[in-house]
Amino acid sequence: KQEVTQIPAALSVPEGENLVLNCSFTDSAIYNLQWFRQDPGKGLTSLLLIQSSQREQTSGRLNASLDKSSGRSTLYIAASQPGDSATYLCAVKPFRGSTLGRLYFGRGTQLTVWP
Amino acid sequence: SAVISQKPSRDICQRGTSLTIQCQVDSQVTMMFWYRQQPGQSLTLIATANQGSEATYESGFVIDKFPISRPNLTFSTLTVSNMSPEDSSIYLCSVAGPDETQYFGPGTRLLVL
Repeated sequence: KQEVTQIPAALSVPEGENLVLNCSFTDSAIYNLQWFRQDPGKGLTSLLLIQSSQREQTSGRLNASLDKSSGRSTLYIAASQPGDSATYLCAVKPFRGSTLGRLYFGRGTQLTVWP
Repeated sequence: SAVISQKPSRDICQRGTSLTIQCQVDSQVTMMFWYRQQPGQSLTLIATANQGSEATYESGFVIDKFPISRPNLTFSTLTVSNMSPEDSSIYLCSVAGPDETQYFGPGTRLLVL
């Protein structure tokens, strides 16, 4: 069974810092990996999707990398802002053949960026 | 992308009662997914709802407790039956977009007293 771990569980940084959130998974046979943001009291917002054949994806100040062989992904946030404060979730989709669309989630990293 | 709405957004219920959660998508999709997020925990898939067939439940979840309807390609309901305080969670509806991105509704926050 796929297990997804996110480190650290919580992170508090001053505004302007560059930071790295880590995600690891136990089974490298993944179809894709997705990073989400969850604000308090809200649903999940997709940030970046990396297909298994890709090494990284970028969107604005966010960059996500994927090393499938080692079972790791990182989310890099450049020049953090207070508005980045949220919980960041990593999820992997197993390779096709299992329940289509089924995602395995980590517990998330709760990020606080203070002014 | 897909826009998903859920009703209700939150509710407080008494133990032993049932609550039906609605999920509406702005486009036709083959599969809809129901997840649960218990306090401090990760998201866990409850079941996959296909239009025109019985829902497929994950290990630990049963139809009697979480009956699901899927009457058409844009709508689904999840019922939480005979609720107990352990059912207090956020329940989220999800679909996969044509770009393989997974989209989620805003969630239904349930508190069972």
